[in-house]
Amino acid sequence: DQQVKQNSPSLSVQEGRISILNCDYTNSMFDYFLWYKKYPAEGPTFLISISSIKDKNEDGRFTVFLNKSAKHLSLHIVPSQPGDSAVYFCAAKSSGDKLTFGTGTRLAVRP
Amino acid sequence: GAVVSQHPSRVICKSGTSVKIECRSLDFQATTMFWYRQFPKKSLMLMATSNEGSKATYEQGVEKDKFLINHASLTLSTLTVTSAHPEDSSFYICSARDPVGGAQPQHFGDGTRLSIL
Repeated sequence: DQQVKQNSPSLSVQEGRISILNCDYTNSMFDYFLWYKKYPAEGPTFLISISSIKDKNEDGRFTVFLNKSAKHLSLHIVPSQPGDSAVYFCAAKSSGDKLTFGTGTRLAVRP
Repeated sequence: GAVVSQHPSRVICKSGTSVKIECRSLDFQATTMFWYRQFPKKSLMLMATSNEGSKATYEQGVEKDKFLINHASLTLSTLTVTSAHPEDSSFYICSARDPVGGAQPQHFGDGTRLSIL
C-alpha cells in the first residue's frame, strides 16, 4: 500500500527552464510534507517543506504547492540548473514524526 | 545545523556475519531515531523507530530478531543486522528527530551500503 506516490520515475528538463515534480498521497492524516534531493549512496538532503494548513511555500528557486482537496503536491524548480540533477523524493509526516517517502523521480537537467 | 553521523559508510562481509551500524547525533540530543532501508532505485522504507531507553518499534514485516536496535544514549542508536545473508544487502539510512521542531522533523545520516557476499 503505497501511501505516497510519485508517478513519474524520471524527468528531463532543459537548463533554465522550469522543473515540475509531482506527488500524490492517500492518507488524509498527513499534516506536513517535505521534498528531499538524493544522490546514490548518500542520505537525503532536505529542500523545502509545507504544512497542511498552507498551499504554497517558496524558498529561492524552489516552490512547493499543496492541494489538499486533490491530495497532491508539487515541487517547482526555476530556473533549473545542471546541479539540480538528482533523485527527488517527496515525503509526508504523520504522528510521531514518522515520514513516508514517495517512490522518487529522477531529474536530469540538460545543459 | 543539526548533524547526524552514520558509520560505517560501507561494509562488505561474508554471509553469516553480524554487522553493526552506528548512528550519532553530533550536536543535539535525540530521544528518537529512525532506521530506513533503500533497495536500488526504490523508495526509503521505514524499518523501525528507536526510542532512547526503551524498546524500538518495528514496522510491519520487519523482523526484530534480525534487525536489532539499541538506543542506549541520547546521541547514539545502533542497528545490528544479525547473521546477514545476501538478501540483506541494501542501503541503510538513519535519521534523528529534530528536538526543536524546525522545518525538518528529521535529520538524516549519509547512509551505510551493506553488501553481503
